[in-house]
Amino acid sequence: TQLLEQSPQFLSIQEGENLTVYCNSSSVFSSLQWYRQEPGEGPVLLVTVVTGGEVKKLKRLTFQFGDARKDSSLHITAAQPGDTGLYLCAGGASGGSYIPTFGRGTSLIVHP
Amino acid sequence: DVKVTQSSRYLVKRTGEKVFLECVQDMDHENMFWYRQDPGLGLRLIYFSYDVKMKEKGDIPEGYSVSREKKERFSLILESASTNQTSMYLCASSFSGYSNQPQHFGDGTRLSIL
Repeated sequence: TQLLEQSPQFLSIQEGENLTVYCNSSSVFSSLQWYRQEPGEGPVLLVTVVTGGEVKKLKRLTFQFGDARKDSSLHITAAQPGDTGLYLCAGGASGGSYIPTFGRGTSLIVHP
Repeated sequence: DVKVTQSSRYLVKRTGEKVFLECVQDMDHENMFWYRQDPGLGLRLIYFSYDVKMKEKGDIPEGYSVSREKKERFSLILESASTNQTSMYLCASSFSGYSNQPQHFGDGTRLSIL
C-alpha cells in the first residue's frame, strides 16, 4: 500500500507570512497533484507535476516535485486570508493505475 | 469547465433507512469515484467505477453499494444507515488512462445519521 504523509497537519499564520507544506512517501509516484479544498466545498486541482525535479508556479504558490518522485512541497509566499483551506496532495501510482493515493491534508488558516 | 453535481449538500436520515446519494458529471468521464471524508482520516475511497455497470470496491466498501446505469451518473447507496456513516461524502470523476488525470470533485454531501 502506498502512503503519502503530509506535514504539518495544521498551520495557523498571519497574513503576509511565508509557509511550506510537505508531502512525503517511500514510494515512487508517476505524478503528483495538489488540491485545495475550501470549507463546504470539494477539492479543486491546483497543479500536476510529473517530472522529477519539476517546479511549477501559480502566482504566489510554488510547487516542487522531488528528484526521485517520492516527495513534493508547496510553498506559499506572503499568504493571504484567501489561501485558507485544506491542501491535499495526491500521488499517481507507477504502473498506470487510475486511482490516486491521497494524503490526509494540511489545514491552513491565514489570519488577517 | 467540468461540472460534478451532487444531489444534496446536506442530508439528515435515521438509523436503518436506505439512503441514496446521487452524482452526475457532464464531461463524459469514464471513471467515477465515491469517497468519504472525516477529520483526521483524509479521503477514503468507498467504491469506484471505470465504465457503465462496472464497479470496484475501494478501501471501505462495507455497508455501501453503488450503481452506474448511465455513464454520467454514479449513485452511492447506504443499505441500512448507521450512525458511524455520518460523514462528508465526495463524488469525483476523471478521464480514463493514467492516474495523472486530475479528479474533478463535487461540492460534497454532508450526511447525518440520527
